Amino acid sequence: AQTVTQSQPEMSVQEAETVTLSCTYDTSESDYYLFWYKQPPSRQMILVIRQEAYKQQNATENRFSVNFQKAAKSFSLKISDSQLGDAAMYFCAYAFIQGAQKLVFGQGTRLTINP
Amino acid sequence: EAGVTQSPTHLIKTRGQQVTLRCSPISGHTSVYWYQQALGLGLQFLLWYDEGEERNRGNFPPRFSGRQFPNYSSELNVNALELEDSALYLCASSSDRDGEDTQYFGPGTRLTVL
Repeated sequence: AQTVTQSQPEMSVQEAETVTLSCTYDTSESDYYLFWYKQPPSRQMILVIRQEAYKQQNATENRFSVNFQKAAKSFSLKISDSQLGDAAMYFCAYAFIQGAQKLVFGQGTRLTINP
Repeated sequence: EAGVTQSPTHLIKTRGQQVTLRCSPISGHTSVYWYQQALGLGLQFLLWYDEGEERNRGNFPPRFSGRQFPNYSSELNVNALELEDSALYLCASSSDRDGEDTQYFGPGTRLTVL
């Protein structure tokens, strides 16, 4: 079974600084998707970034970028120029490309932005 | 473009009662997913519906059920409510077109069982 592990329950960063959130996963599949979602206090789950496993290039989305290491099964999220609005729970998630298509989530990392 | 919508926002029930939660997907999306986010248990996959059929089910008892309507909206039914069913229930939708099957989430329904 696929598992996703986020080893940092909480992280904090100064406004305008850079922070990296860690995620590792376990799967025997070769084709899959990886995602980072954020969940602010409003509880709405918002997609931050998506990575296809067959793509070697790391995904980027404005201030958000990932470091995808397929062999190491690692998928970290880097947030540059942190803003107060980035404060949220961040969830790493895995989805197999075919078949079940359910998302398997990590436990989440609570990110605090210090002004 | 309207996002995924869910109703109601909050719900309070007592043990043994039954509840129905509703979800409307993004226009053009045919797949609907239900997740449970209970305190301390993280996000757990419940059900996946696509084209009106149940495609996959998480490790939940049969009293959790649902359906998908011809307009692709969906209902989640929970019978014989238990205290541990208290959670945020999230619905997500995806289009399942090639290369675009990212799941987009609704705001959730907060269920409290007393």
